[in-house]
Amino acid sequence: AQSVTQLDSQVPVFEEAPVELRCNYSSSVSVYLFWYVQYPNQGLQLLLKYLSGSTLVKGINGFEAEFNKSQTSFHLRKPSVHISDTAEYFCAVIQGGSEKLVFGKGTKLTVNP
Amino acid sequence: GAVVSQHPSRVICKSGTSVKIECRSLDFQATTMFWYRQFPKQSLMLMATSNEGSKATYEQGVEKDKFLINHASLTLSTLTVTSAHPEDSSFYICSARPPTKGYTEAFFGQGTRLTVV
Repeated sequence: AQSVTQLDSQVPVFEEAPVELRCNYSSSVSVYLFWYVQYPNQGLQLLLKYLSGSTLVKGINGFEAEFNKSQTSFHLRKPSVHISDTAEYFCAVIQGGSEKLVFGKGTKLTVNP
Repeated sequence: GAVVSQHPSRVICKSGTSVKIECRSLDFQATTMFWYRQFPKQSLMLMATSNEGSKATYEQGVEKDKFLINHASLTLSTLTVTSAHPEDSSFYICSARPPTKGYTEAFFGQGTRLTVV
């Protein structure tokens, strides 16, 4: 079965520092990869997605992620974070041919002044 | 972009009563919707796939009689938590994937915080 591993449950950083949130997935077949952000007591908002093509994907709010097939990773990065980026971030995958979106356990990003 | 609306956002009910949560796709037709449950500080767990005009498909370990799903139209799916108990307290989120996005991008409702007292 498909699985997604987010290696860090919590990531504290200072404002304007760079950040990387790590994500690894298990499937060796074609996959679609996503990063979602969740603010307290709200639904999920799509940050970015990888379907095919360029392995470097740019999303909203200055985030980007790189698909690395050999390492089965899809790490999320931002060069300079803001206080408003404090939220929970979820990596998710759809395996080709499947309808199901499988989520990682999430990473709580806390940006401190 | 596509919008999925979920109602209510919060509900408190007494133990033993039933609660209905609605999920609507506002600007697209959704033949399939998904219901998730999220425990505090944990990930989203898929509960069931709601199929318009047919029975829902439940994930292993999810009680069909406890969590009733009805997908009577192309824009509305409902989740009813029957005979709710405190352990059913959780955050419930629905999602749908618009056909215009090639069925690859999921849009999520705002979530429903259910508290059973």
